[in-house]
Amino acid sequence: LAKTTQPISMDSYEGQEVNITCSHNNIATNDYITWYQQFPSQGPRFIIQGYKTKVTNEVASLFIPADRKSSTLSLPRVSLSDTAVYYCLVGGPGNYQLIWGAGTKLIIKP
Amino acid sequence: GAVVSQHPSRVICKSGTSVKIECRSLDFQATTMFWYRQFPKQSLMLMATSNEGSKATYEQGVEKDKFLINHASLTLSTLTVTSAHPEDSSFYICSARGASGGIGELFFGEGSRLTVL
Repeated sequence: LAKTTQPISMDSYEGQEVNITCSHNNIATNDYITWYQQFPSQGPRFIIQGYKTKVTNEVASLFIPADRKSSTLSLPRVSLSDTAVYYCLVGGPGNYQLIWGAGTKLIIKP
Repeated sequence: GAVVSQHPSRVICKSGTSVKIECRSLDFQATTMFWYRQFPKQSLMLMATSNEGSKATYEQGVEKDKFLINHASLTLSTLTVTSAHPEDSSFYICSARGASGGIGELFFGEGSRLTVL
């Protein structure tokens, strides 16, 4: 199971783009990269998943370099409601026993 | 997306009593569900993997006799904290795997906060 490393915390301002980078040096060939968001006293919520290059959905983009040893979650034009903890997880199809790192606590200021 | 519901969302009990937490997949069948606990300002820790119709698989260090897991149907798994003590106070979260597979298909419940007095 690949271990991930993320910054413990970040802060930004409303309307800015926020990029959170995750390191996963021992990612396996069949591993995907998934990001979750968690608000206090709530279960995690799926944000985005990717395998390589770039993935974009209605809420975020995920950039994965060719070596796949890191990934960057990009949140465009953040708002106060984006204040949460963001987790980066790595795992392959059928492997759901994911290791949850400490996550990144993102604080958005007005 | 798929919905996973937990009940109760909050429970307060006296030390020594048992508490049951339910996890339901509302619009899909979940052959596998996962139970986590999360202490304040810490990450999720997997407690056990619950498989429908068979015994749960517990992570190292998790007492199976204390945390009883039952997955009697494809839409319901229960976690019973037996003889609860204050140190069992935590946020318990379940997740279920969608039918299409892929780790992005993990859906989480809202969590259940247990406080043992």
